[in-house]
Amino acid sequence: AQSVAQPEDQVNVAEGNPLTVKCTYSVSGNPYLFWYVQYPNRGLQFLLKYITGDNLVKGSYGFEAEFNKSQTSFHLKKPSALVSDSALYFCAVRAPFFRNQGGKLIFGQGTELSVKP
Amino acid sequence: DGGITQSPKYLFRKEGQNVTLSCEQNLNHDAMYWYRQDPGQGLRLIYYSQIVNDFQKGDIAEGYSVSREKKESFPLTVTSAQKNPTAFYLCASSHTDREAGELFFGEGSRLTVL
Repeated sequence: AQSVAQPEDQVNVAEGNPLTVKCTYSVSGNPYLFWYVQYPNRGLQFLLKYITGDNLVKGSYGFEAEFNKSQTSFHLKKPSALVSDSALYFCAVRAPFFRNQGGKLIFGQGTELSVKP
Repeated sequence: DGGITQSPKYLFRKEGQNVTLSCEQNLNHDAMYWYRQDPGQGLRLIYYSQIVNDFQKGDIAEGYSVSREKKESFPLTVTSAQKNPTAFYLCASSHTDREAGELFFGEGSRLTVL
C-alpha cells in the first residue's frame, strides 16, 4: 500500500534563507509523487511532480524537489524563502487506476511553513 | 477558463439536516474526487468516481453519499448520519488516461454544524 509521511508539522525559516520541507514515501512500483500548496481557506495548488527521469524536479514559484530513491524521500526545496511562501504544504503519492484504486492521491499530514521577515 | 467550481463556499447546518455540496468541472476530466480536510489530519478521501454512473467509497465514506449522473458534476451529500461533519471539503478531478497527471482542486466548501 502507498503511504506518505511528512515528519515536521511546522518549519520556520527567515526570509532569504533556503528552505526544505521533508517528505518520505512508501510505494510498490513506480512512484508518482506530488507537492501541493494551500493558502488559508483555499483549495490546493499544484507545485510540481516527479514521474521519472531527472531526480531534481523544478516547479512553480521557484520551488524544486529532489527525488531520492534509496532514501525514499521527495523533499521540497527553495534556495531563498519569501514571506509569501508561508502556507501549508502537502506531499502526495498517486495510487494507480488499476485494481480499483481510482488514481487517488494519498496525502501526508501537511507541513506549515512560516517565513519571517 | 477551465476549472473546478465548488459551492457554496460556506455552509451552516443544524444537526439532523442533510446538506449537498456542489462540484462542477469543465476540464473534461473523467475522474472526480471528494476529500475532507481537518486540522492536523491532512486530506482524507471520501468518495471517488472514474466514470459517469459509477463511484467508489474512499477511506471515510460513512455518513456521506454521492452521485455521478453527468461527467461534469459530482455532488456530495453530507447526511445526518455523519457524526462530525464540520470540516473543509475539497473536490478534485483528473484525467484517467494520464496516471502521472496531477489532480486539480476546487476552492473548497467549509461546512459548520451548529
